[in-house]
Amino acid sequence: GDSVTQMEGPVTLSEEAFLTINCTYTATGYPSLFWYVQYPGEGLQLLLKATKADDKGSNKGFEATYRKETTSFHLEKGSVQVSDSAVYFCALSRGTSYDKVIFGPGTSLSVIP
Amino acid sequence: NAGVTQTPKFRILKIGQSMTLQCTQDMNHNYMYWYRQDPGMGLKLIYYSVGAGITDKGEVPNGYNVSRSTTEDFPLRLELAAPSQTSVYFCASSYSLAGNQEQYFGPGTRLTVT
Repeated sequence: GDSVTQMEGPVTLSEEAFLTINCTYTATGYPSLFWYVQYPGEGLQLLLKATKADDKGSNKGFEATYRKETTSFHLEKGSVQVSDSAVYFCALSRGTSYDKVIFGPGTSLSVIP
Repeated sequence: NAGVTQTPKFRILKIGQSMTLQCTQDMNHNYMYWYRQDPGMGLKLIYYSVGAGITDKGEVPNGYNVSRSTTEDFPLRLELAAPSQTSVYFCASSYSLAGNQEQYFGPGTRLTVT
C-alpha cells in the first residue's frame, strides 16, 4: 500500500543553517505531495504542495521538488530561523476523488540561536 | 475566522469511561475528518464526513463513533475508553474531497486513558 517515510528526528540546527528534511514515498500512479507544519500548541497547517512530477512547491522560504524518478519530496530551506522550530509532516494523496491522505511520522526541528 | 476549534485540549479518562471530543469549523466546509496521532507515527484517519448526515469509516474506526448533524460540528465519541486510545486527536476540514485539496486542522486534543 501507499506509504510515506521521513527522516527521523529530532533535528537540531543553529540559526541560519541549511535545512533538509528527507521524504520518500511509495504509491501507485501520480499522487499529490504535501508538507504540513505544526507549530507548538497549534494544529497542522499546509506549508507547500506539488501535484505533478517536477513541480516545485514553495512558501516562507521553504521549497520541495516532486521527483518521480526517486519518489522523493525533500524539504529544504537555505537559512532557518528560531521561528521555524516545529514538527514537519510529509504527506501524499492520490487521485481526484477522495482517497485518504497518508502522513509520514513527522520530523521535529529545533533551531537554536 | 476561528478556523477549526477543538475542545477539550487535554483530558484524562479512566478505563471504561466515555467522552465526546468536540470539533467545530466556521469555514462552511462540507468535508470533515478525525485523525489520531500516536507517538512516532503519522496521522491515522478514524472517520470522515462529506456533509451533514453523512459519515464513513477511515482506517481505524473501532472504538469510536461520530455524528454530523450540522455543517459546522463533527463530534467524536469514545464509548468505553481503553488504554489503546491514548493519543492526540486532530479534527480537520476541507473545501472539497479531492486528493489535492488542503486540509485545515484544529490544535488537537491530548487524551490519556489510565
